[in-house]
Amino acid sequence: DAKTTQPTSMDCAEGRAANLPCNHSTISGNEYVYWYRQIHSQGPQYIIHGLKNNETNEMASLIITEDRKSSTLILPHATLRDTAVYYCIAPDGGGADGLTFGKGTHLIIQP
Amino acid sequence: DTGVSQDPRHKITKRGQNVTFRCDPISEHNRLYWYRQTLGQGPEFLTYFQNEAQLEKSRLLSDRFSAERPKGSFSTLEIQRTEQGDSAMYLCASSSTSALGSFYGYTFGSGTRLTVV
Repeated sequence: DAKTTQPTSMDCAEGRAANLPCNHSTISGNEYVYWYRQIHSQGPQYIIHGLKNNETNEMASLIITEDRKSSTLILPHATLRDTAVYYCIAPDGGGADGLTFGKGTHLIIQP
Repeated sequence: DTGVSQDPRHKITKRGQNVTFRCDPISEHNRLYWYRQTLGQGPEFLTYFQNEAQLEKSRLLSDRFSAERPKGSFSTLEIQRTEQGDSAMYLCASSSTSALGSFYGYTFGSGTRLTVV
């Protein structure tokens, strides 16, 4: 898997947009970027993934730089329930043989 | 079928005892994965099955660990002669190889928290 680098922790005010960065400078041309999150005492939950183009779904938006060396996950209107650890993953071969999670970013939404 | 189920949710055992965990994946998913997660760390891959075949095992899976998926449906993970270092959350996930962009198809269970005393 391409190595990913994320900040250890971030704070965001409730109702504001939370922007979570991820560096993946060694990503190869066919490796997707996936984001998962893990709320305390639960298993990880899929959020979004992308290859080159920006992506949006009901949970979040994913902005990938043109050189694909970094990306940003955007939670447009953060709520207290978005407090979680967010993992950015760029798996080899699509990740069918297992995902490699790092330590992720602990996002704390402040009331 | 509402998701991946794991049983038990919590297990406390004495060092040296054997423990077994069960995972029931989403019924139409043919791939099943086991992960281990210790405090403050991300999940670490242990092994995965496609149907009943165990296709990959991490070096983290010592000889004391064994996983089965006998009929390609539920899976069990057994730890023999448990050690205090085995204390962790054990997570199961399932996915379908037919899903486009395979990994949005990964659904995790809530895990089994093992404490070895």
